Amino acid sequence: KQEVTQIPAALSVPEGENLVLNCSFTDSAIYNLQWFRQDPGKGLTSLLLIQSSQREQTSGRLNASLDKSSGRSTLYIAASQPGDSATYLCAGLNNAGNMLTFGGGTRLMVKP
Amino acid sequence: GAGVSQSPSNKVTEKGKDVELRCDPISGHTALYWYRQSLGQGLEFLIYFQGNSAPDKSGLPSDRFSAERTGGSVSTLTIQRTQQEDSAVYLCASSLGWGRYNEQFFGPGTRLTVL
Repeated sequence: KQEVTQIPAALSVPEGENLVLNCSFTDSAIYNLQWFRQDPGKGLTSLLLIQSSQREQTSGRLNASLDKSSGRSTLYIAASQPGDSATYLCAGLNNAGNMLTFGGGTRLMVKP
Repeated sequence: GAGVSQSPSNKVTEKGKDVELRCDPISGHTALYWYRQSLGQGLEFLIYFQGNSAPDKSGLPSDRFSAERTGGSVSTLTIQRTQQEDSAVYLCASSLGWGRYNEQFFGPGTRLTVL
């Protein structure tokens, strides 16, 4: 059974810092990995999707990497802003391509 | 539509009552998914639909839970004889198809509170 872990569970940084969120998964047979953002009381917003054949994806100040062999993904946020404050979730898509398994999330606070 | 919509946004019910949660996927999306987010369990997968068919119902937590989809569009998740442990946010997602190339887009969720 796939298990996804995110470290740290919570992170507080001053505005402007670059930061890295970590995601690890036990079963390397994933089809893709998605990073989501969740604001309090809201649904999930998809940030980046990395296919299993890819090593990284970039969108603006966000860069996500995937290393299937080691079972790890990272989300890099450059020049953090207070508006980046949210919970960030990673999720791996199973072999059948129908189910995402989520990590517990990293709660990020960027202080002005 | 612009995105996945869910209704109601909030539902408070008494233990033992039945509830129905509704999901409207993005227009043209053939795959639809239900997840549950609770404090103790995090985000867990419940069921998915390929068109109107749900090939695997093993993710549903008990036989009090059922789901259906009609016309390849709207889906309803029904919980019978609700229990306090059913309290959670129920999230719906849709994707253009299913399989490795499909990005799932999520709705805002329905917050269910069972008193």
